[in-house]
Amino acid sequence: ETGVTQTPRHLVMGMTNKKSLKCEQHLGHNAMYWYKQSAKKPLELMFVYNFKEQTENNSVPSRFSPECPNSSHLFLHLHTLQPEDSALYLCASSQEVNRDMNTEAFFGQGTRLTVV
Amino acid sequence: AQSVAQPEDQVNVAEGNPLTVKCTYSVSGNPYLFWYVQYPNRGLQFLLKYITGDNLVKGSYGFEAEFNKSQTSFHLKKPSALVSDSALYFCAVRDDMDSNYQLIWGAGTKLIIKP
Repeated sequence: ETGVTQTPRHLVMGMTNKKSLKCEQHLGHNAMYWYKQSAKKPLELMFVYNFKEQTENNSVPSRFSPECPNSSHLFLHLHTLQPEDSALYLCASSQEVNRDMNTEAFFGQGTRLTVV
Repeated sequence: AQSVAQPEDQVNVAEGNPLTVKCTYSVSGNPYLFWYVQYPNRGLQFLLKYITGDNLVKGSYGFEAEFNKSQTSFHLKKPSALVSDSALYFCAVRDDMDSNYQLIWGAGTKLIIKP
């Protein structure tokens, strides 16, 4: 285990549903990330939080809404998704963004999302 | 612009043979290079990193990687492959000229080790 836990592991949702993904880390890190992983493509960074403040939003559609209530928890709220949003969503954490040049990130196991 | 290329979608190796997974990069400044592994239905696990110093870096599970500045490469290697090494491998780079400190990822290489 990496110390980063994601729930649920699998999620099937309709295009009109609202659901949330949860991520929790027990590593004492101050930076948390959401990534989207699609087959045969590089990981796509979606959102970055550093000390609970959002520092990066890489042109992600508004149907994805992140929330970071504290440095240990990160949520991704989903609504009116499209079938092309089906992917593995990975959460990661690291010490803190501005000191991260030479440190590695720790990843959760991911949530496999299927939009039907 | 920063970029990472993993030229092979898949690499097939017989168990016991040496393996190499290729990675080349492009950055404006100095690179900080990382390899991660993803086993089926799991998240990414850190394997090793190059920051500075010795060009040959040793990591987890007997893997090593060689930093070659002139060829802008950071190939992952293992002297003797195990079936359990079968997984998806990702190379990533940070550019020390990038004030956002973001990791740039390759598309991944699927490594298949056959008994």
